[in-house]
Amino acid sequence: SQQGEEDPQALSIQEGENATMNCSYKTSINNLQWYRQNSGRGLVHLILIRSNEREKHSGRLRVTLDTSKKSSSLLITASRAADTASYFCAVRYNFNKFYFGSGTKLNVKP
Amino acid sequence: DTEVTQTPKHLVMGMTNKKSLKCEQHMGHRAMYWYKQKAKKPPELMFVYSYEKLSINESVPSRFSPECPNSSLLNLHLHALQPEDSALYLCASSQLGTSGGGQETQYFGPGTRLLVL
Repeated sequence: SQQGEEDPQALSIQEGENATMNCSYKTSINNLQWYRQNSGRGLVHLILIRSNEREKHSGRLRVTLDTSKKSSSLLITASRAADTASYFCAVRYNFNKFYFGSGTKLNVKP
Repeated sequence: DTEVTQTPKHLVMGMTNKKSLKCEQHMGHRAMYWYKQKAKKPPELMFVYSYEKLSINESVPSRFSPECPNSSLLNLHLHALQPEDSALYLCASSQLGTSGGGQETQYFGPGTRLLVL
């Protein structure tokens, strides 16, 4: 499978804490993206990092990419109850092929 | 308008039925995608259309037949499905680069939840 792996599978934290989730993939990529999915609904794009970038920020989100280790991490700072969702990394290998990681289910308790 | 719409929201069909899922976007995107998502699993790529032509078929069974009538519409025709095909079917669209390669952000519709009895 070309899909990535994510860990942890599930994460439960208190509001205000930081949440970190990790993604690993198998072969060289063009870019890596993170998406959020609320309970069986459509996915929402969060942030994209290109293969020649190492770190990127967007609001409370921080993404890192280590191409030598074929891994990425997503950090959500000062989490809120509204951040409760499943988070997926997606890697783009070539042209239009996107493969999603196994996902991390985040629960932020108020 | 950054919305991708999908109809119907829910669909129940028997194994001998023929039905179609519809997807529409008005963002001028020239790449459109179908994904299948089983419960507690990530989306799995099924088909990709670029400039209204099928560019990727991820070895999907022929009981699923995609169609792209124009640059705004994407259909998925269903025939003789199996109960294991029950899933959330997601449509997405994105821009295309000048080389024809996919561009970054995919915009997803809310999905059609399909139950095959």
